[in-house]
Amino acid sequence: DVKVTQSSRYLVKRTGEKVFLECVQDMDHENMFWYRQDPGLGLRLIYFSYDVKMKEKGDIPEGYSVSREKKERFSLILESASTNQTSMYLCASRPVLFGKLFFGSGTQLSVL
Amino acid sequence: SQQGEEDPQALSIQEGENATMNCSYKTSINNLQWYRQNSGRGLVHLILIRSNEREKHSGRLRVTLDTSKKSSSLLITASRAADTASYFCATDETGANNLFFGTGTRLTVIP
Repeated sequence: DVKVTQSSRYLVKRTGEKVFLECVQDMDHENMFWYRQDPGLGLRLIYFSYDVKMKEKGDIPEGYSVSREKKERFSLILESASTNQTSMYLCASRPVLFGKLFFGSGTQLSVL
Repeated sequence: SQQGEEDPQALSIQEGENATMNCSYKTSINNLQWYRQNSGRGLVHLILIRSNEREKHSGRLRVTLDTSKKSSSLLITASRAADTASYFCATDETGANNLFFGTGTRLTVIP
């Protein structure tokens, strides 16, 4: 089975801190995604990557950056965390264009 | 954003009844997918229907797609308490490499 692993299940950070959320997939997938999920708003795409060192902005990239130095790892970076970035963050991957997504378990981030 | 919309936002039924959830979207799609999310967890893929398909079945799930109306429905037959979860539709747009998710339907199945 495909496994997508997010490094932390729960995370508490202070305003202004730099935050790293890590995601690793074990099935050599080309495409990786970061979503945030908020009540009533569903899932919104932050960034995605279709190859190593390649990235594309999603719907809400402001305040975030990403890194994909290796195919299996896609990191989401909050440069200076703010309270409005308190959310559930979901990482996903898929092998091909127009295929199904495999999700990690999510990281619930609280910024105080 | 081309986010889809699910209807209803919440649905509560008795065990054994059927549950129907609807999804509307705005653009041309390659496929439409349905996902399930248990509380506070990641999403799990349920079923994918391509734009040239009208109906698809998987176990107790039946999905229909009407591209002329830009809508889809997910039917869960003979529901069980374990089906309690949130269900999301997601559209794979033509010319894009990402999925756009709806806001979800919260299904509660009462034993």
